[in-house]
Amino acid sequence: AQSVTQPDIHITVSEGASLELRCNYSYGATPYLFWYVQSPGQGLQLLLKYFSGDTLVQGIKGFEAEFKRSQSSFNLRKPSVHWSDAAEYFCAVVSNYGGSQGNLIFGKGTKLSVKP
Amino acid sequence: KAGVTQTPRYLIKTRGQQVTLSCSPISGHRSVSWYQQTPGQGLQFLFEYFSETQRNKGNFPGRFSGRQFSNSRSEMNVSTLELGDSALYLCASSFTGTGVTLLSGNTIYFGEGSWLTVV
Repeated sequence: AQSVTQPDIHITVSEGASLELRCNYSYGATPYLFWYVQSPGQGLQLLLKYFSGDTLVQGIKGFEAEFKRSQSSFNLRKPSVHWSDAAEYFCAVVSNYGGSQGNLIFGKGTKLSVKP
Repeated sequence: KAGVTQTPRYLIKTRGQQVTLSCSPISGHRSVSWYQQTPGQGLQFLFEYFSETQRNKGNFPGRFSGRQFSNSRSEMNVSTLELGDSALYLCASSFTGTGVTLLSGNTIYFGEGSWLTVV
């Protein structure tokens, strides 16, 4: 079955430092991948998506992600973190079969804390 | 353009009761899907509706059901509530058509969610 793994449950970085959140997926063909962010008590906001083409994808709020097929990864990066980036981040892949076909399979999420 | 709207935002129910949650998709979006978010299980797909028909269904018991109206608005219902049904229920919409799903490269947009607490 398809799956998404976010190895880091919680990450703390200092404000102004760089950030990389890891995401690995299991999928045979080219996946459709998303990163969403969730602030406390809120819904999910789309940061960026990868469907095809350029493997480096730019998103909102200064985020980018790189698709690496050889590593089955889609890591999210930001060169300089702001305190307002503190939130939970979810990686997701579009399911290709079964009852959830055409819908999203999510990772467990990575909670980001930002130190002043 | 208004986003995905969910009502109510917060509600408390007693075990054994039933609950109905409502979702209005983005104008022009015909696909509505529902997800459950809990601390233990994370985000899980419940079901998807398109043109008033359930198109896909996740691995949830029959107590969870839904429907979609001709204006694409959707409701989900949970009967005989259990403590474990306490969760954030997220609705999402996307611009898809017959044979056109997220696999075609569309984006899915989420609402703010309905927080359900079962006591």
